[in-house]
Amino acid sequence: SAVISQKPSRDICQRGTSLTIQCQVDSQVTMMFWYRQQPGQSLTLIATANQGSEATYESGFVIDKFPISRPNLTFSTLTVSNMSPEDSSIYLCSGGGGSSEQYFGPGTRLTVT
Amino acid sequence: GENVEQHPSTLSVQEGDSAVIKCTYSDSASNYFPWYKQELGKRPQLIIDIRSNVGEKKDQRIAVTLNKTAKHFSLHITETQPEDSAVYFCAASMDTGFQKLVFGTGTRLLVSP
Repeated sequence: SAVISQKPSRDICQRGTSLTIQCQVDSQVTMMFWYRQQPGQSLTLIATANQGSEATYESGFVIDKFPISRPNLTFSTLTVSNMSPEDSSIYLCSGGGGSSEQYFGPGTRLTVT
Repeated sequence: GENVEQHPSTLSVQEGDSAVIKCTYSDSASNYFPWYKQELGKRPQLIIDIRSNVGEKKDQRIAVTLNKTAKHFSLHITETQPEDSAVYFCAASMDTGFQKLVFGTGTRLLVSP
C-alpha cells in the first residue's frame, strides 16, 4: 500500500487569503485525487490530479478556486484560493499503489475566519 | 454518473453481535467496490474491497458480498468489538485505468461493551 503524507495538518486562515496543501506519496502513482470532507459528512471529490496535464474537476469545483499542480508521480498540491468561511473543511488527498486501491493522506483541517 | 446509497446511517450493536451495512449503486459499469473505515479525526482506511468477478470476499471478521444483478453490496462484521466503532464508507468505481471513487454517505457504527 502507498503511504501518503500531507502538509500542513491544520491551519487557520483569514478570509480572502489562499492556502496551498501539499501531498506526498512514498511511491509513484498514476493518479492522485483531492477530496473535501465536511464534519460528519462523506467525501466529495474535488478533482483528479493528472501528471503532465491539467487537473480534471468535478461539477461544482473550478480551477480558479482550487488550482492543482502535479509536477511528478509522487507529489501534488491543492490551493484553496480567496477563501471564505464556507471553505472550512478537511481536505484529503489520495493515490494508488497499483490496481484500483486508493490510500488517503491524513487530511488538512482548514478553518477560515 | 454513478450514485451510491448507503444504509443505515447509524448502527448500534452489542459487543459480539454481527453488523451489516448495505450499499446500492446505479452504474452497471462499476466493477470495483471498496470499503473504508474512518475513526474520529483519522484518515479513511481501506479495510476490504471486492471486484465484480467475485461474489464474496472475507478477511478474518469482515466480509463483503456483491450482487451485480441487483447492484448492491454489503459489509458484514462478525463478533464485533468496541474498536470496530467508527464511520464506514462504501464506494464504487470502474476498475479500469484507476478511476475515481464515488462514496456512499457513511454509516456510524457504535459497538457497546
